[in-house]
This record gives sequence, structure tokens and C-alpha cells, in this order.
Amino acid sequence: EAGVAQSPRYKIIEKRQSVAFWCNPISGHATLYWYQQILGQGPKLLIQFQNNGVVDDSQLPKDRFSAERLKGVDSTLKIQPAKLEDSAVYLCASSLANAGYQETQYFGPGTRLLVL
Amino acid sequence: QKEVEQNSGPLSVPEGAIASLNCTYSDRGSQSFFWYRQYSGKSPELIMFIYSNGDKEDGRFTAQLNKASQYVSLLIRDSQPSDSATYLCAVRTSYDKVIFGPGTSLSVIP
Repeated sequence: EAGVAQSPRYKIIEKRQSVAFWCNPISGHATLYWYQQILGQGPKLLIQFQNNGVVDDSQLPKDRFSAERLKGVDSTLKIQPAKLEDSAVYLCASSLANAGYQETQYFGPGTRLLVL
Repeated sequence: QKEVEQNSGPLSVPEGAIASLNCTYSDRGSQSFFWYRQYSGKSPELIMFIYSNGDKEDGRFTAQLNKASQYVSLLIRDSQPSDSATYLCAVRTSYDKVIFGPGTSLSVIP
């Protein structure tokens, strides 16, 4: 079974530029998550989708971050314009929906973003 | 109070010893608890999942859950240098949200 795929693996941009990350979840996983992990910290949820609907985006900085999952499969996370503090690893995870308390998340390799 | 807290590291243990990693959580109604291992520069990898009070064993790993004390731990027996990593505790809360702790860095000294 293929795991969660993400691209690109690394990205370096200057502040105020825009950037986009792509994620393809494990086949059959209806729930998709985007996390931000700053060095030395645990992952922080940015947005959670179930199929193509948003379940939770309470911690997404909506003035600069956007995400979509139009066909309920792969997803794109965009930052525009980027700030220095956006330098982090952006992790995508997926899980089977409707598994209740046993629902477990599987992570992709992440995209390491450096904003200069 | 932070929602999920872990013992501050780094934690160093000699090879062959037992490593004990601790996690406390604030939401008393939390449903399930996860331990992830994260090697430097890599993504988190699920190693244990527990939802009932008591112990759950998987090879050299034992997860212990005490809901009354709002405490979950991970024991690693016969620690190996390959166990050196950051261990993340994650909690599925009563409002069905998964919250990660800050992680504990473990170093196993040969």
C-alpha cells in the first residue's frame, strides 16, 4: 500500500512570495490533515478535511493560508504572501474516516519550507 | 495549562536500559492516545495506540494509560541506539480533535 505522498520535499522562497504544497493521501482515506511543525515543537493542525469538506480550520491563518481538496482526494496548501515565521515543515496526514476513537493518522514525508 | 504536555528532554539512557516517556493531558474526556516516533528530519511514525486503561505491549514497547490521573506513558525496554528520536504523544480529545504534545527527545548511549 502506497503511503501519503507530498511534494515538493524542500522549498526556499523569499518573504512576500507565494508557495504551494501538494498532498496525495493513502488510497481510501477520506480524512486529510495539514500540519505545521516548527523546529522543536509538536505538529500543529492547520486544517482538516473529510472528503472535500472542511472539518476544522480554526488554526489556519486565513489571511495568508488557503487549502483545498476539490475532488476529495489530493489537496493543495498555499501560502501567500509568506512571512519569515512560516519557515517550518508542512506535514500532510490521512486517516480512515468514521473509525471513531480508533482513527489513526499516517504522515507523509513533509515539505521543509525556508522563508528568507 | 497546555492541552498535552510531555516530560522535558532531552532524555539520555544507556543502551539496554528502560526508557520512560511521560505525557499528561488536560481534557478528562479524551478518548484515545497515540505515540509517534520522529527521527530527525523525518515525519512522525505511529508506534503505539491505546484507548483502554492499563498496559498495552508491542515488542519492546509498552504503553500505559491511567485515565483517572490523565496520564499516559511509553516504556521502551532494552533501549537501542536506533531508538534515539523524538517521541510525540498525541491525544484524541472529547471534541474529536487530535492534539500533539511538544515531544521528548530520547538519546540512547551505546
